[in-house]
Amino acid sequence: DVVLTQTPPTLSATIGQSVSISCRSSQSLLDSDGDTYLNWLLQRPGQSPQLLIYSVSNLESGVPNRFSGSGSETDFTLKISGVEAEDLGVYYCMQATHAPLTFGSGTKLEIK
Amino acid sequence: EVQLVESGGGLVKPGSSLKLSCVASGFTFSSYGMHWIRQAPKKGLEWIALIYYDSSNKYYADSVKGRFTISRDNSKNTLYLEMNSLRSEDTAMYYCAKLGITTGFAYWGQGTLVTVSS
Repeated sequence: DVVLTQTPPTLSATIGQSVSISCRSSQSLLDSDGDTYLNWLLQRPGQSPQLLIYSVSNLESGVPNRFSGSGSETDFTLKISGVEAEDLGVYYCMQATHAPLTFGSGTKLEIK
Repeated sequence: EVQLVESGGGLVKPGSSLKLSCVASGFTFSSYGMHWIRQAPKKGLEWIALIYYDSSNKYYADSVKGRFTISRDNSKNTLYLEMNSLRSEDTAMYYCAKLGITTGFAYWGQGTLVTVSS
């Protein structure tokens, strides 16, 4: 199975600060169809996960554009440009290129 | 408004069976593959099953293969997860989801809690 390693495990940020989360894959996530199926999700406290970014860099409908995704092959990054209070929670990367679908272990974002 | 509403969770003994349901509304349920994903208490997310839009293909995580069965009834906009031979390690919140892997528009239910304990 593909292992997704997220760093850091926890992140503390002040409002307005920009932060980045890394997700490294044990295998290339470039699919034979040319797409790369790496998504980012946020799970706020007490809530279900929600999709933020799909296929590396595409912003899900309704998600603020302070969120952005980048990367290729095995190295991916989620950036939040100007953290807001509502951004606290656990961020997960998820790959769907290789079966079975797998998730990273999560990065907990705390607001100082 | 899109909604996915799970039900059927509860407290059961090891070796028991349980059937979860997920009723969808607000989108064309019959056009999309659907997933079950679970989250053990204070743990991360684990994908457990996928069913194609027309039930033509079903896939399972190794941890549940042979014990769990995913199915759907498109006439009722409902996704199911039949769980047999439950173990303590199956204790988790179970979510149904349209994951939006290729095109976005992902939807998750609120989850239903399954607790397996003697």
